Amino acid sequence: RKEVEQDPGPFNVPEGATVAFNCTYSNSASQSFFWYRQDCRKEPKLLMSVYSSGNEDGRFTAQLNRASQYISLLIRDSKLSDSATYLCVVSQGTYKYIFGTGTRLKVLA
Amino acid sequence: DAGVTQSPTHLIKTRGQQVTLRCSPKSGHDTVSWYQQALGQGPQFIFQYYEEEERQRGNFPDRFSGHQFPNYSSELNVNALLLGDSALYLCASSSGLVVNTGELFFGEGSRLTVL
Repeated sequence: RKEVEQDPGPFNVPEGATVAFNCTYSNSASQSFFWYRQDCRKEPKLLMSVYSSGNEDGRFTAQLNRASQYISLLIRDSKLSDSATYLCVVSQGTYKYIFGTGTRLKVLA
Repeated sequence: DAGVTQSPTHLIKTRGQQVTLRCSPKSGHDTVSWYQQALGQGPQFIFQYYEEEERQRGNFPDRFSGHQFPNYSSELNVNALLLGDSALYLCASSSGLVVNTGELFFGEGSRLTVL
């Protein structure tokens, strides 16, 4: 079983739609959780951290459920520019960040 | 403020050869992590260097080795290249003094093709 699992997609959604991505992790000792965004043939960039209380950044909302070892990302009012791969990332300490395979999103005009 | 820089950006090698990839971290960062990203996959952690020492290692064979210099720049060496080593190699820098902020700053990567 992979340490971090994501549905690879692709998710094809129309502009303005709401889309949700899920991620599960296997190590209950994981301490920190993040979503990174990676555009085609580019490097990953931090989108947002994920906290147990949930956090929101504009159209993006992230949630963490430690009991179920589950992380989610919700994108509201999708834009064409949101088309990218979204990587779920789990940290077990300062040193090691585990990336999921990524979920591909394509927002259609 | 220079970000993370990697070189070369692209390279082609043949099986059995050796390759060295280079990384300069973001200004003010002292920690360098290396990742391998195969096509369609997420980045896989290779190892991390801090204070010129390998601090943590992922599940990669000894053919993968590295080094960090006093100026915090780093090299990744891969010996006896296999076809399966073809991938994008990403360098990520961070500050060793900051714990779990999540902000790994990545370079644009070195795309290695092994023929």
